[in-house]
Amino acid sequence: NAGVTQTPKFQVLKTGQSMTLQCAQDMNHNSMYWYRQDPGMGLRLIYYSASEGTTDKGEVPNGYNVSRLNKREFSLRLESAAPSQTSVYFCASSLSGGGGNQPQHFGDGTRLSIL
Amino acid sequence: AQTVTQSQPEMSVQEAETVTLSCTYDTSESDYYLFWYKQPPSRQMILVIRQEAYKQQNATENRFSVNFQKAAKSFSLKISDSQLGDAAMYFCAYRSASSNYQLIWGAGTKLIIKP
Repeated sequence: NAGVTQTPKFQVLKTGQSMTLQCAQDMNHNSMYWYRQDPGMGLRLIYYSASEGTTDKGEVPNGYNVSRLNKREFSLRLESAAPSQTSVYFCASSLSGGGGNQPQHFGDGTRLSIL
Repeated sequence: AQTVTQSQPEMSVQEAETVTLSCTYDTSESDYYLFWYKQPPSRQMILVIRQEAYKQQNATENRFSVNFQKAAKSFSLKISDSQLGDAAMYFCAYRSASSNYQLIWGAGTKLIIKP
């Protein structure tokens, strides 16, 4: 059982380049999330999708866009990468969003370096 | 705004001993959920244990248990009979029962197990 799958696992970009991080889950979850993790800090929410067809900004959305392609897939796009976006990115999913104690299930992360 | 504080950047414990990781949070809400996640060197975030604020009984999962003190806004994690595989970063997270889907994360505690 794959759970949450992220691709790629590692990526190096030059400043100004664009790229899309892919995320897919096979648990039939409604909600999906993108986080970034920086050294010495907890995870910070970039965007989330409560259900198919909806997306909302999280704590740190600037410089990112997302697409909820279908129930399984939720992609994160960097249109013009900046060194400040060097981080580890995590995708997560949960059965439901607000309310309830449903935990979030995480992918293995993407380590992204912007030179 | 809610905040989560983990005051111990690093903790170490002898194998087979017991260790307690601290977490405090700040909120004006009465209904919420608390989580402990483990992040081993493989990077994947793994749910360890969760607690509903309306439950007075402390949650337990095998060797993992919490000490939930609602009035003190404290949510510590106790690991009994520590094993080498417990070595990881441990993150405490808060989620409001009434807000959107956002988890508020602490900065993490690195747990070292001494053989």
